[in-house]
Amino acid sequence: KNQVEQSPQSLIILEGKNCTLQCNYTVSPFSNLRWYKQDTGRGPVSLTIMTFSENTKSNGRYTATLDADTKQSSLHITASQLSDSASYICVVTAYNTDKLIFGTGTRLQVFP
Amino acid sequence: EPEVTQTPSHQVTQMGQEVILRCVPISNHLYFYWYRQILGQKVEFLVSFYNNEISEKSEIFDDQFSVERPDGSNFTLKIRSTKLEDSAMYFCASSEAAGTAYQFFGPGTRLTVL
Repeated sequence: KNQVEQSPQSLIILEGKNCTLQCNYTVSPFSNLRWYKQDTGRGPVSLTIMTFSENTKSNGRYTATLDADTKQSSLHITASQLSDSASYICVVTAYNTDKLIFGTGTRLQVFP
Repeated sequence: EPEVTQTPSHQVTQMGQEVILRCVPISNHLYFYWYRQILGQKVEFLVSFYNNEISEKSEIFDDQFSVERPDGSNFTLKIRSTKLEDSAMYFCASSEAAGTAYQFFGPGTRLTVL
């Protein structure tokens, strides 16, 4: 069964600190992996998208990595800001489909 | 910056009633999607739509659901006879291409079925 698992479920960090969120997936055949940010009560906003051949992709203070062999991805947030408080969702798409398979997300809280 | 818009932001309805959720995708996009998120759970794919027909749908998208692009700008999701378990946040998304193109999400419609 195609699944996307994320850890940790929730994370609290202090403003200015870095953090790394993890994603494991069993989606096959794999096409691409995306990271989305979702503020409470809002729609998800795309951060990065990576295909099979890409190992890393950056978007400002966000850097995503992908290991397609071990089916793992990480999202690293540098120098966190209060506005980074949100859920971060790993989303995987199988080959030949546009259906996004969402993980349960990591709830990040950044405190001053 | 262009964005996906959805109306209404919140819809309350009685069980058994029909509801229509409306979306205006980004104007040059050709691929349209509906997702739902039950409170506290993950986002789930419902349906994708391209060239005026459904290209893919999930097991959730049964005969009670339908989608339509009634004109050049709107994209609607209709639930014919709502159930309590249809209560969720419904997100519309659009993209300019299939595959690895970004899907841009709207702000969602919160549907509450009483």
